[in-house]
Amino acid sequence: ETGVTQSPTHLIKTRGQQVTLRCSSQSGHNTVSWYQQALGQGPQFIFQYYREEENGRGNFPPRFSGLQFPNYSSELNVNALELDDSALYLCASSGPGQGNDEQYFGPGTRLTVT
Amino acid sequence: AQSVTQLDSQVPVFEEAPVELRCNYSSSVSVYLFWYVQYPNQGLQLLLKYLSGSTLVESINGFEAEFNKSQTSFHLRKPSVHISDTAEYFCAVSLNQGGKLIFGQGTELSVKP
Repeated sequence: ETGVTQSPTHLIKTRGQQVTLRCSSQSGHNTVSWYQQALGQGPQFIFQYYREEENGRGNFPPRFSGLQFPNYSSELNVNALELDDSALYLCASSGPGQGNDEQYFGPGTRLTVT
Repeated sequence: AQSVTQLDSQVPVFEEAPVELRCNYSSSVSVYLFWYVQYPNQGLQLLLKYLSGSTLVESINGFEAEFNKSQTSFHLRKPSVHISDTAEYFCAVSLNQGGKLIFGQGTELSVKP
């Protein structure tokens, strides 16, 4: 059984650019959640997708958007990057129930905005 | 709204000593409680969780946590730590197991020989 994977591992972007991060959920999981972990902080919830629909959103601006595909993999898109967007971005998958199953985290994508 | 406070940002201890990492939460409704561990340059791993039932929960590697509803606490303890326990530990709450997790700021446990 393959766990949660994320790509890329690291990337560096310039302020104002756009970035797409990817997450492959664990086999049998239909829910993906995204978190932002700034340096020295706890993760903060960005949003969750369940069966391709957004199922809850944290306190992040609209330039943070997401997508979930029929195979339940997911993308996180961030437009107009700001320096404060530099962080570790974690995705977690769970399922097959909605909201009642343990979340499994991927290794994260380290984004640096210069 | 829910919130989590981890009272210690850093906890240095010597190998084989006991340790307690403190976590307090705030919520007007019942929540589920979690402890996650994050090793350097890695994602989060679930250490243990309280959903219901016995207030004392244990992990497979010797950690335990006790849910105290009156004190709204979920402190993590280990009677004897190892060098390999060096990591960042996060306490979290959620309204359901698969839903939005609200994390504390984290406690860096540093085990010295």
